[in-house]
Amino acid sequence: NAGVTQTPKFQVLKTGQSMTLQCAQDMNHEYMSWYRQDPGMGLRLIHYSVGAGITDQGEVPNGYNVSRSTTEDFPLRLLSAAPSQTSVYFCASSYFSASGSYEQYFGPGTRLTVT
Amino acid sequence: DAKTTQPPSMDCAEGRAANLPCNHSTISGNEYVYWYRQIHSQGPQYIIHGLKNNETNEMASLIITEDRKSSTLILPHATLRDTAVYYCIAHSGGTSYGKLTFGQGTILTVHP
Repeated sequence: NAGVTQTPKFQVLKTGQSMTLQCAQDMNHEYMSWYRQDPGMGLRLIHYSVGAGITDQGEVPNGYNVSRSTTEDFPLRLLSAAPSQTSVYFCASSYFSASGSYEQYFGPGTRLTVT
Repeated sequence: DAKTTQPPSMDCAEGRAANLPCNHSTISGNEYVYWYRQIHSQGPQYIIHGLKNNETNEMASLIITEDRKSSTLILPHATLRDTAVYYCIAHSGGTSYGKLTFGQGTILTVHP
C-alpha cells in the first residue's frame, strides 16, 4: 500500500491564483481530512469527509473548497490564493476500528507559498 | 473533544526512558486518549491510544490514571530519532470522525 499520497510536494502561487492540492489513499478508509500547519504551530483542521459525497467544515474553512466523489480521493481547492494561505498542508485518512477507536494516517504534506 | 494540556518542552538522555505527561481533566467517558508525534517537516504519526487500561505496543506505553484525568506516554529507551513534537489528543469519534484537534504538543529533545 502507498498509504496517503499528496501532490505536489511544493508549490508557489501568486496572489489571486487558484489551484487544487491532490490527496489520495489506497486503504479504503471512510474518513479523510485536510489540515494546515503554519510555522511553529499545531495542525488546524480545514475540511473533513466521513464518506464519498459527504464533507463538512473544520476550524479554518474559509478560502478552501473540497469534494469527495470517490472513497480514494479528497482534493482541496484554493479559490483565490492569499499570502495568509502560505502553509504546509497535510491530508489524512482514517477508519473506525472494531475496538471503538480510530487512527489517522497522514500524507507527507504539500508546502505552499503564496507571494 | 476534551482540552488537553502538555508541557511545551522536555529533554531526555539517549537510552533513558522519556515520560511525557498529559492532563485531560474534563475528558468524558467515551473519549479515547491518542498520542501522535511529528518529526520535523513530516506528517504526524500515530503512536498509541487507550480508553481506560494501560496500553503497550512496539513504540511506546500509555499509562492512564484511574480517574482518567491524566496520562503519560512512555518511550522506554529514547533514541535521537525520537526527537519530535508529541501530541496528546482526547477524542470520541462519533459524529466528529476525522476531526482531530491538535494542540501545541510537547517538543521532546533527546540528547546524546
